[in-house]
Amino acid sequence: QSALTQPASVSGSPGQSITISCTGSSSDVGTYDLVSWYQQHPGKAPKLMIYEVSRRPSGVSDRFSGSKSGNTASLTISGLQAEDEADYYCCSYALINMEVFGTGTKVTVL
Amino acid sequence: EVPLLQSGAEVKKPGESLKISCTGSGYTFSKYWIGWVRQMPGKGLEWMGIIYPGDSDTRYSPSFQGQVTISADESISTAYLQWSSLKASDTAMYYCARPKVDASVGPFHIWGQGTMVTVSS
Repeated sequence: QSALTQPASVSGSPGQSITISCTGSSSDVGTYDLVSWYQQHPGKAPKLMIYEVSRRPSGVSDRFSGSKSGNTASLTISGLQAEDEADYYCCSYALINMEVFGTGTKVTVL
Repeated sequence: EVPLLQSGAEVKKPGESLKISCTGSGYTFSKYWIGWVRQMPGKGLEWMGIIYPGDSDTRYSPSFQGQVTISADESISTAYLQWSSLKASDTAMYYCARPKVDASVGPFHIWGQGTMVTVSS
């Protein structure tokens, strides 16, 4: 199972919106609405930000939103804040009770 | 939700064996899949495999099949990740994690703090 493809880095100024893409295939992202997104700050465990493409766990800011079209899922961060600077990983269900992560995207707040 | 509790950092030599643990509390351990995730130094997250403690049903990513063994002891609410012969390339942070919904393999709502494994001669 190959890793899902994400851009290595995305940057934006405070207050701006950014979007991170996550491209898979018909074996994962394209077939299942089971895409999740994780945020990871340096030295910390990942934190779930979005699941089932667009649902937010309780406590996650509504500045984070998710969507999907075909084999590509996207995470949008609106009103970018300094605390959003972190690594972000997508993840998709991919057959027989297995999942696959994306390659990861470093978000920089300029 | 109570985080999962992982065992402490390990320093091992190539060829040695190792078993690290992940203990759950505050929920019915047998009813929730527990997964393992590898993060090599400076690299991304890799989904290794997952186990359902209730019946020990285990799934491995093809990349990790045959390289590690995932197990669980329901009686002490603990899952394990083990190696029979470590390699330097096994040096990484290993996280355990579980979903919030029983009988679902994902997503991972609850994480352990991570166990750093260093393999060096």
